[in-house]
Amino acid sequence: DTGVSQDPRHKITKRGQNVTFRCDPISEHNRLYWYRQTLGQGPEFLTYFQNEAQLEKSRLLSDRFSAERPKGSFSTLEIQRTEQGDSAMYLCASSPLTSGVYNEQFFGPGTRLTVL
Amino acid sequence: QKEVEQDPGPLSVPEGAIVSLNCTYSNSAFQYFMWYRQYSRKGPELLMYTYSSGNKEDGRFTAQVDKSSKYISLFIRDSQPSDSATYLCAMSVRTSYDKVIFGPGTSLSVIP
Repeated sequence: DTGVSQDPRHKITKRGQNVTFRCDPISEHNRLYWYRQTLGQGPEFLTYFQNEAQLEKSRLLSDRFSAERPKGSFSTLEIQRTEQGDSAMYLCASSPLTSGVYNEQFFGPGTRLTVL
Repeated sequence: QKEVEQDPGPLSVPEGAIVSLNCTYSNSAFQYFMWYRQYSRKGPELLMYTYSSGNKEDGRFTAQVDKSSKYISLFIRDSQPSDSATYLCAMSVRTSYDKVIFGPGTSLSVIP
């Protein structure tokens, strides 16, 4: 399977704990995105990388959230001191960087976080 | 007002029916318009995209964009039970990156 993969698929944690999610994009995709999706809503943009550089962060991404893409390949999203409001599906997507054409974002299956 | 509005449904139709899904938006800077399909417990997958105004057809699916009315539609002909999913409209502004703004999605059930 050469699609976007995410790990873990499900995470249950207690309020106040730290959690880390991993995303492996499609090989050679330069761009990597993180989105958050709550029940009955569409995905909301969180942050975006081009190679290892984090180029934009949404106002939704409080200082408890940090994302990295250290070698321009896989990415991690860490949430510190989790709150019940952080419960959501965290989606990762990747896309190529090709000029002159629409660069489709390919989504992974998501990590479902439940904060008790 | 949200940037992208979409009737959440749920929408239930018999197999073979024509389905019409719609979104409105407020940001006139949007230039790329997409429809994603999301099955339960899966990530979204791109169905179609359209640049600027006009129609685009792909098999049983037709996407329409009316930028003057800030209104986009997706039509599904000869709907199948396998089309049962949540359909998300999405849009982006042509910039150096392709941040996508999603609507809340419409849940569709096609009944055999």
